[in-house]
Amino acid sequence: GAVVSQHPSRVICKSGTSVKIECRSLDFQATTMFWYRQFPKQSLMLMATSNEGSKATYEQGVEKDKFLINHASLTLSTLTVTSAHPEDSSFYICSAREGGGGAYEQYFGPGTRLTVT
Amino acid sequence: GQNIDQPTEMTATEGAIVQINCTYQTSGFNGLFWYQQHAGEAPTFLSYNVLDGLEEKGRFSSFLSRSKGYSYLLLKELQMKDSASYLCGVMDSNYQLIWGAGTKLIIKP
Repeated sequence: GAVVSQHPSRVICKSGTSVKIECRSLDFQATTMFWYRQFPKQSLMLMATSNEGSKATYEQGVEKDKFLINHASLTLSTLTVTSAHPEDSSFYICSAREGGGGAYEQYFGPGTRLTVT
Repeated sequence: GQNIDQPTEMTATEGAIVQINCTYQTSGFNGLFWYQQHAGEAPTFLSYNVLDGLEEKGRFSSFLSRSKGYSYLLLKELQMKDSASYLCGVMDSNYQLIWGAGTKLIIKP
């Protein structure tokens, strides 16, 4: 099956610093990638949708200047949390979908646990 | 608005059968997904329904009724490793997945 990787799996950073999370589709071309945030015991919250080569579409309430998303190629998307604060500590999960609207399944990465101290 | 409802938590006994329900109201429908998520891990795909009826896959089955906006996930011969959260997701007219809050399933010996 399709595999999506994320790096790093865990990261601890100091308040005010920036953190970059990579999401890669290993054996397929992901025309669309999704970034989710999940707080403990809560559901997945979609942050943004990115299509290769175009600007990401952010969900309401998500600061685009704080969460920078780049989908530079069909196999790589990055999420940069800028000027991180303790309230940004969360589990960040990416997922990828290949093809156009006819491809239904999203393949999830293993997630990145971010802790901001 | 778009809404996905599923029970917050369910408890079942090892070896038994449990049914997790999901009702939805979305703008358009392009399929319904069930994912399993163990604590601290990413979700993993279980099933996909786009037509009415029952899809069986081993110990897991998923049912869909589009006219009722209803689905269920049926787990048979429960094992302790089935303790997890089960997420219901509906793909809307824009092919975006709308997620329910998840159902935490607790399996007791």
